[in-house]
Amino acid sequence: EAGVTQFPSHSVIEKGQTVTLRCDPISGHDNLYWYRRVMGKEIKFLLHFVKESKQDESGMPNNRFLAERTGGTYSTLKVQPAELEDSGVYFCASSQVGWGYSRQDEAFFGQGTRLTVV
Amino acid sequence: AQTVTQSQPEMSVQEAETVTLSCTYDTSESDYYLFWYKQPPSRQMILVIRQEAYKQQNATENRFSVNFQKAAKSFSLKISDSQLGDAAMYFCAYRSEVETSGSRLTFGEGTQLTVNP
Repeated sequence: EAGVTQFPSHSVIEKGQTVTLRCDPISGHDNLYWYRRVMGKEIKFLLHFVKESKQDESGMPNNRFLAERTGGTYSTLKVQPAELEDSGVYFCASSQVGWGYSRQDEAFFGQGTRLTVV
Repeated sequence: AQTVTQSQPEMSVQEAETVTLSCTYDTSESDYYLFWYKQPPSRQMILVIRQEAYKQQNATENRFSVNFQKAAKSFSLKISDSQLGDAAMYFCAYRSEVETSGSRLTFGEGTQLTVNP
């Protein structure tokens, strides 16, 4: 069974440009999360999808970030325009359910996308 | 809001020895989950061990065990018989069991573990 996959693995863009990150969750996982780790800091929550709906987007830093989940399958995270402080590793995770249920709530992570804004 | 603190940015251990990674957290909730995640150099983060706050018994998974002190809000990870493959960044994480709080994870800053042969 394929795990959570993220594309690209690494992206270097100039300030002001646009970048789109993609996440393919594990098949059948309704819950999809985006997290970000800025260098040396803790991993911070960005948002949570349940199927195609945004359940919680309280962690999105500003309106330069736009997340979508088409048809409840893969998700994209667009940063437009990118700023220097957006550099970091963006992680995607998916889980079958949100809570409890005998570990069906376990979150599986992708390898992350390392974004460098220069 | 909940916070998670890992006070050891780096730790090292000799192969076959035991090492303990520290984690403290702050919450006003009584029901929650605690996790330790491992991120090897390949960067995919994997779950090492989880603890339900209502359980008094400390979780164990093979060579990995936790010391969960609910009153002290402490959740340390002990790795016994350390192996070279244990070298990774370890993250402590918290998740509420209250549905209205969301199912997101709150992470600490991580501890980079080096295993010396």
